[in-house]
Amino acid sequence: QVQLVQSGSELKKPGASVKVSCKASGYTFTTYAMNWVRQAPGQGLEWMGWINTNSGHPTYGQGFTGRFVFSLDTSVSTAYLQISGLKGEDTAVYYCARNSGDYRGFDVWGQGTMVTVSS
Amino acid sequence: DIQMTQSPPSLSASVGDRITITCRASQSISTYLNWYQQKPGNPPKLLICAASTLQSGVPSRFSGSGSGTDFTLTIGSLQPEDFATYYCQESYSSLYTFGQGTKLEIK
Repeated sequence: QVQLVQSGSELKKPGASVKVSCKASGYTFTTYAMNWVRQAPGQGLEWMGWINTNSGHPTYGQGFTGRFVFSLDTSVSTAYLQISGLKGEDTAVYYCARNSGDYRGFDVWGQGTMVTVSS
Repeated sequence: DIQMTQSPPSLSASVGDRITITCRASQSISTYLNWYQQKPGNPPKLLICAASTLQSGVPSRFSGSGSGTDFTLTIGSLQPEDFATYYCQESYSSLYTFGQGTKLEIK
């Protein structure tokens, strides 16, 4: 079946880096764009940006430039989110989500990866 | 940038009630509007895309309507499993902005 499986929870110290993976299965990885969405504890959903899984070209949303990097390894159908210079306000659940195409929303989501930043 | 405003922020209702959640865009987005349901500890689930197209497997008590700037999500007869948080999202601008969410609670 179509699914996105993300890497496990992370506990990091301020200033460190983290890399979250999102492995796709059940469909052709390069057919659909991949998005990243952040949800801080008790808060709503915040779109971070997306990556073109054909070209590898990323697009970052407002507030997600500089420390955030989207990347791919198409040989293993996996998308990555790397965050450097972690701050306490980066503590959140990070989701990858497949764009269904034709402006019709995000139809498949990963289970989420909790990143906790604490000294 | 397009802003998405949902109302109400929270709503208390009973099983069997009919409820409506509203989402307003700061500019016209045609019908590029999606609705998601999220339950605690779970990722969001796409319910409706293109303002009114129900995703496969979503019960018919869910419906969406609207175009331009004003949209609604209606649940015809609330079931216990419907108590969750609902988000709208625009897919007009390619910035995919979400509304702030509406928490639907049991009265």
